[in-house]
Amino acid sequence: QSALTQPRSVSGSPGQSVTISCTGTSSDVGDYNYVSWYQQHPGKAPKLMIYDVNKRPSEVPDRFSGSKSGNTASLTISGLQTEDEADYYCCSYAGSYTWVFGTGTKVTVL
Amino acid sequence: EVQLVESGGGLVQPGGSLRLSCAASGFIFSSYDMNWVRQAPGKGLEWISYITLNSKTKTYADSVKGRFTISRDNAKKSLFLHMNSLRVEDTGVYYCARTAVAGTESDNWGQGTLVTVSS
Repeated sequence: QSALTQPRSVSGSPGQSVTISCTGTSSDVGDYNYVSWYQQHPGKAPKLMIYDVNKRPSEVPDRFSGSKSGNTASLTISGLQTEDEADYYCCSYAGSYTWVFGTGTKVTVL
Repeated sequence: EVQLVESGGGLVQPGGSLRLSCAASGFIFSSYDMNWVRQAPGKGLEWISYITLNSKTKTYADSVKGRFTISRDNAKKSLFLHMNSLRVEDTGVYYCARTAVAGTESDNWGQGTLVTVSS
């Protein structure tokens, strides 16, 4: 399984919106509505932010949203805040109880 | 509060073996599927293994298949990863993660344990 493709970095000013893409194949992202997104601050464990493409755990702010079109999923952070500066990883179910993560994107708040 | 605490990491020579443990608390461990995910230094996350709540199904990434074995002891609320024939490229932080009920996402993660494979 090859890692899903994400941009290495994105940036935005406080209050702006940023979108992170996650491109897979018809065997993972394109075949299942089981894309999740994780936030990871330096030295910390990953935290679930989005699951099933566009669902948010109750504790995650509604500034975070997810979508999918074909083989590409996206995470949008609206109203960017300083605490959103972190690494973000997408993850897709790939069938037969296997998963594949994205390459990761560093979000910088300018 | 859900807690997952990994242990067993350390320094091991190439070709060596190690057993990682993950102690679970704050939830009914026997009701959840579990995963191991690792992260090489300065690199991204890599899913490496999955086990169903009753241990009937176990899966592995190609990078560890045949060398790593996942297991669990529901009575002791513990998840394990037996690692053999370790390679330098197996170096990294190993996380245990809980799979959400009726879902595929990992909704809770431990803090990780560092494995260093070096001579």
